[in-house]
Amino acid sequence: EVQLVETGGGLIQPGGSLRLSCAASEFTVSSNYMSWVRQAPGKGLEWVSVIYSGGTTYYTDSVKGRFTISRDNSKNTLYLQMDSLRAEDTAVYYCASGGYWGQGALVTVSS
Amino acid sequence: DVVMTQSPLSLPVTLGQPASISCRSSQSLVHSDENTYLNWFQQRPGQSPRRLIYKVSKRDSGVPDRFSGSGSGTDFTLKISRVEAEDVGDYYCMQGTHWPYTFGQGTKLEIK
Repeated sequence: EVQLVETGGGLIQPGGSLRLSCAASEFTVSSNYMSWVRQAPGKGLEWVSVIYSGGTTYYTDSVKGRFTISRDNSKNTLYLQMDSLRAEDTAVYYCASGGYWGQGALVTVSS
Repeated sequence: DVVMTQSPLSLPVTLGQPASISCRSSQSLVHSDENTYLNWFQQRPGQSPRRLIYKVSKRDSGVPDRFSGSGSGTDFTLKISRVEAEDVGDYYCMQGTHWPYTFGQGTKLEIK
């Protein structure tokens, strides 16, 4: 059974950094397009970033220059490095690929 | 960015009755590879989103056949032939043709 498990969420002060990880099992991260999608409390879904199998990456405008998506093929893990965090980045962050989604990691940016 | 507009935003339905959600995009979702990357997601209370439909009308594995998707170009519809109690939740359309991928605002389905 395919599983995507996010870790690394938590409470962080504005301006701080956090790295989310998404460990995959029964699924090869490097062979698929992998995404991060977030959902602010009580709000809808927002696509944050994607990395394609060939390595091409895209970011939504609000995180460009602050967030970096990457993967470690040897660990079969996807990452999201989040720098210069703002209050408006507070959300549950989901790792996703097509029909496969993780359970989400809560990131709270607050002083 | 492509704007996805869903209607209605709230959908009270009697058990066993059909339900329909409309989704319109601000531009055509036909990709240069001739596919239309329009997906539908269900999010039950307290759960992660679950993809129900991809490429307009293809059902994901394990999705009951009472769910169906249709449409083309800029107009799309998700239909539930007979609503069951487990269908309560939020439904989102999502386009994966143009970056940034975008979701509709969501439609909250509840039982009357």
